[in-house]
Amino acid sequence: SQQGEEDPQALSIQEGENATMNCSYKTSINNLQWYRQNSGRGLVHLILIRSNEREKHSGRLRVTLDTSKKSSSLLITASRAADTASYFCAPALVETSGSRLTFGEGTQLTVNP
Amino acid sequence: DTEVTQTPKHLVMGMTNKKSLKCEQHMGHRAMYWYKQKAKKPPELMFVYSYEKLSINESVPSRFSPECPNSSLLNLHLHALQPEDSALYLCASSQPQGFQPQHFGDGTRLSIL
Repeated sequence: SQQGEEDPQALSIQEGENATMNCSYKTSINNLQWYRQNSGRGLVHLILIRSNEREKHSGRLRVTLDTSKKSSSLLITASRAADTASYFCAPALVETSGSRLTFGEGTQLTVNP
Repeated sequence: DTEVTQTPKHLVMGMTNKKSLKCEQHMGHRAMYWYKQKAKKPPELMFVYSYEKLSINESVPSRFSPECPNSSLLNLHLHALQPEDSALYLCASSQPQGFQPQHFGDGTRLSIL
């Protein structure tokens, strides 16, 4: 399936440090998305990287995609306590009816002040 | 504040009750989604509507009945649910074409007694 597998399952760091989360998937995709979920809230879209892109930046976020290895990573630089959340990768296949997202198990990030 | 509004935020119902979850968006999106999320798990896709027509049903039991009355509204009708159906139900919307992120509501937390 498209479902991503994320690593690590949990990550605890100090404010100011960088956080790296990894995602692997098994099938062909045409884009991969990362989402954040704060406790008790819905998911918030962070960044989308297309299958023909290798790296993308958005503010303190850097995403890489290696389609030959079927893997992606999300780097959050200079982390803040407000970055504490669950992070999900979603390998995606665009169909005529919309994107079919299959979320990975997620990484629980805790940023300690 | 999210741009996708879900009501109610919390719902407790017995196994013989009939209730409905509602979702509304005013972003002009023509694809809308229902996801189910159990505690500490990723969201799982249930249904996709594209241009107000049901396009994806991920083999969801018939006790869940979706409805899309117009391009802004999405309902999920519930009947004869089981205790294992207790979960957070998330609605999302997006444009159906191309590589588009999904916008999520904060969900309805459903408890089945």
